Amino acid sequence: QKEVEQDPGPLSVPEGAIVSLNCTYSNSAFQYFMWYRQYSRKGPELLMYTYSSGNKEDGRFTAQVDKSSKYISLFIRDSQPSDSATYLCAMSTITSGGGADGLTFGKGTHLIIQP
Amino acid sequence: ETGVTQSPTHLIKTRGQQVTLRCSSQSGHNTVSWYQQALGQGPQFIFQYYREEENGRGNFPPRFSGLQFPNYSSELNVNALELDDSALYLCASSRDRGSSRTEAFFGQGTRLTVV
Repeated sequence: QKEVEQDPGPLSVPEGAIVSLNCTYSNSAFQYFMWYRQYSRKGPELLMYTYSSGNKEDGRFTAQVDKSSKYISLFIRDSQPSDSATYLCAMSTITSGGGADGLTFGKGTHLIIQP
Repeated sequence: ETGVTQSPTHLIKTRGQQVTLRCSSQSGHNTVSWYQQALGQGPQFIFQYYREEENGRGNFPPRFSGLQFPNYSSELNVNALELDDSALYLCASSRDRGSSRTEAFFGQGTRLTVV
């Protein structure tokens, strides 16, 4: 079982719809949760991050973390064709001694917004 | 504020050869992390450099090595290239090693093809 599971899609929705993207994880040590957007042949772009459980809103984007269920979500309201991209969830831990173990990513969900 | 830049954009190498990839970190950032992204997969952590020293490493063999320079730019070196090394190599810079857990800003990547 991979540490982070994410449905690769594709997920196709009409313009203006609310999009729900999700990841599940198995490592209870994850404390920080990020969402990245990646356009074809580009590097990932950080959308937002949250720490531990709860919700965070930024414009049309809302991130939710439920640590008890090991489940995170990203909601996109009023979706636009320009939102069509691959959405990657990423997670990280608090390490002792400052050493890094990097971000652990899901495979990404390919999202298509139909005009 | 300049972003993260990587060079070259694309590269084709023969199995067994060596390759060096370069990354200029974002202005004001002293931490650089390298990731490998195979087609259809999420990025995988290779290692991180903080103030010119390796600060953590993922599950990659020793033929993957790196450097960070006093201006915080970085190099990724891969020796004895294998066909499975074909991937998009991503560099991410962060303000410091702590913020690398939440705010890592990626370059556009170097697409390496090993034939």
